[in-house]
Amino acid sequence: DGGITQSPKYLFRKEGQNVTLSCEQNLNHDAMYWYRQDPGQGLRLIYYSQIVNDFQKGDIAEGYSVSREKKESFPLTVTSAQKNPTAFYLCASSIAGGPSETQYFGPGTRLLVL
Amino acid sequence: AQSVAQPEDQVNVAEGNPLTVKCTYSVSGNPYLFWYVQYPNRGLQFLLKYITGDNLVKGSYGFEAEFNKSQTSFHLKKPSALVSDSALYFCAVRWGRGNKLTFGTGTQLKVEL
Repeated sequence: DGGITQSPKYLFRKEGQNVTLSCEQNLNHDAMYWYRQDPGQGLRLIYYSQIVNDFQKGDIAEGYSVSREKKESFPLTVTSAQKNPTAFYLCASSIAGGPSETQYFGPGTRLLVL
Repeated sequence: AQSVAQPEDQVNVAEGNPLTVKCTYSVSGNPYLFWYVQYPNRGLQFLLKYITGDNLVKGSYGFEAEFNKSQTSFHLKKPSALVSDSALYFCAVRWGRGNKLTFGTGTQLKVEL
């Protein structure tokens, strides 16, 4: 997990509330990613960013938003439009966005709905 | 579309015995294949990857994986399992210029004394 931090470790969301998950990396990586993990399923890509001020939707972007204003930071907002947000959220980064490059993961944030 | 399958939800093995965690893939072209391990409530840790070249790839913690193009497989192996190897293992595939890393559903490895 070294080099990538995610906070908080646990997050509780009330109905109708937007919440933001933090992801910071000090690896000087250009590319960053957000994944969602549900029990019994693999990881699913929410959003990714290959460079500052640019990001792309993944497979399950609906109900989520991101920003990439700084190279080291890629926050994820879970909006009230996401009807089933309870999951484990993982942030990752890689040197660049090439297909052979290794993605390194943070420790994750578990989001629960009150 | 690229896909990856891990046919076993759980693998049980005795400590000291060899272990194999299976992975098969489907891509149109040459794949880039990865193995990750996840301990409870933690992020994924990178173990190894196949890009090109030697079909036998060696990685962290004594793990290795063999790329078999004809069988479209990339099975993870270790000659002698440890109780501390008990964790959730994910295989993942990427190909071409795509940025998407597609994950399998994971295999829970349980190593018993």
